[in-house]
Amino acid sequence: DVKVTQSSRYLVKRTGEKVFLECVQDMDHENMFWYRQDPGLGLRLIYFSYDVKMKEKGDIPEGYSVSREKKERFSLILESASTNQTSMYLCASSPLRSEAFFGQGTRLTVV
Amino acid sequence: DQQVKQNSPSLSVQEGRISILNCDYTNSMFDYFLWYKKYPAEGPTFLISISSIKDKNEDGRFTVFLNKSAKHLSLHIVPSQPGDSAVYFCAAISGTYKYIFGTGTRLKVLA
Repeated sequence: DVKVTQSSRYLVKRTGEKVFLECVQDMDHENMFWYRQDPGLGLRLIYFSYDVKMKEKGDIPEGYSVSREKKERFSLILESASTNQTSMYLCASSPLRSEAFFGQGTRLTVV
Repeated sequence: DQQVKQNSPSLSVQEGRISILNCDYTNSMFDYFLWYKKYPAEGPTFLISISSIKDKNEDGRFTVFLNKSAKHLSLHIVPSQPGDSAVYFCAAISGTYKYIFGTGTRLKVLA
């Protein structure tokens, strides 16, 4: 059974903190993605990775960085959290040009 | 610039009737399209996909239609059930890696 696991369902962090969101997939997929979902804006791509140590910016990379040291793990880092980064964060993985599988999401609140 | 658009933020349908969700895209290079369903506080789950070499794909109660000349796709759900109430996202794949999502349509199926 396909599985993408995000480390936390809910997080509350303070402004200025460094925040790590972890994602692990067990399907040996090449591609991994980080999206954020906000009302009325849909799913917006932050970063994606198509191989270990490879990454590319999505549509809204500002204020974020990523790390992919192992194929199964893709981390999203908020260097200095701000209130406008309060959102639902969704990790996904996919084989090449096929449906992506999503984790359960992390609801991050920055206060 | 929104490359994948879902112009109806919400839709209400009576149980047993047809639900039609629409999606428009602007990039003629997209050649693979997907529909996802999302419940609150969960990650999106894959529903159905279609390649640009086809104009229709069917899976049980779900059918996706693609009109390449109009750059339009639609998802038909027949018959609609209360459990179908969710947010539906269409997505398009650009190249090998990048999945572009629409803003979503909230479907409510009334019992």
